[in-house]
Amino acid sequence: EVQLVESGGGLVQPGGSLRLSCAASGFIFSSHSMSWVRQAPGKGLEWVSYISSNTYTMYYEDSVKGRFTISRDNVKNSLYLQMSSLRDEDTGVYYCVREGYGDYVFDSWGQGTLVTVSS
Amino acid sequence: SSELTQDPAVSVALGQTVRITCQGDSLRTYYSSWYQQKPGQAPVLLIYGKNNRPSGIPDRFSGSSSGTTASLTITGAQAEDEADYYCNSRDSSGARVFGTGTKVTVL
Repeated sequence: EVQLVESGGGLVQPGGSLRLSCAASGFIFSSHSMSWVRQAPGKGLEWVSYISSNTYTMYYEDSVKGRFTISRDNVKNSLYLQMSSLRDEDTGVYYCVREGYGDYVFDSWGQGTLVTVSS
Repeated sequence: SSELTQDPAVSVALGQTVRITCQGDSLRTYYSSWYQQKPGQAPVLLIYGKNNRPSGIPDRFSGSSSGTTASLTITGAQAEDEADYYCNSRDSSGARVFGTGTKVTVL
């Protein structure tokens, strides 16, 4: 069974930093591209960042470019999101998501970790 | 980056058919996938590619596409289909994008 378990969320002040982690199990992690997707309270889904299976390619949503860094460790079966210069609008649930069944198809989701940016 | 636009809300009578649409220029080139999200839960993949359903997804869910519009159809809506629905695709730069979301109410 595919499992994606996020951790690292919490309360942080504007301008602060936070590192999210996602522990993957139940599949060959190194064979799949991964993404982070977030959802602000009461709002829709927003894709945040993507990393290819071999780590060679990364993409970012425009509002997080230069502030967020996605990475992965295929030995530890883990995905990460380093977030800095956090803003109020970064508040939300952050989901770790596997791409399967093809490019940009999000076939497995974690339960999410809540990030709250507030003073 | 590209945008995908959905109607904010639709309603359907129990057992009837409803179509949810997703519009965006990137859909001329790339297929859309569809997701269902119920309150307090993570989204679930419903449809991907031309019209493919992952194992366990009921066949009352189907997808189609024409030009810049992708559609998700629920044929014979059930009470448990009341949820938020999102389309997603990608743009030419590789960025992924979600639709604005549609809230489906089953009457």
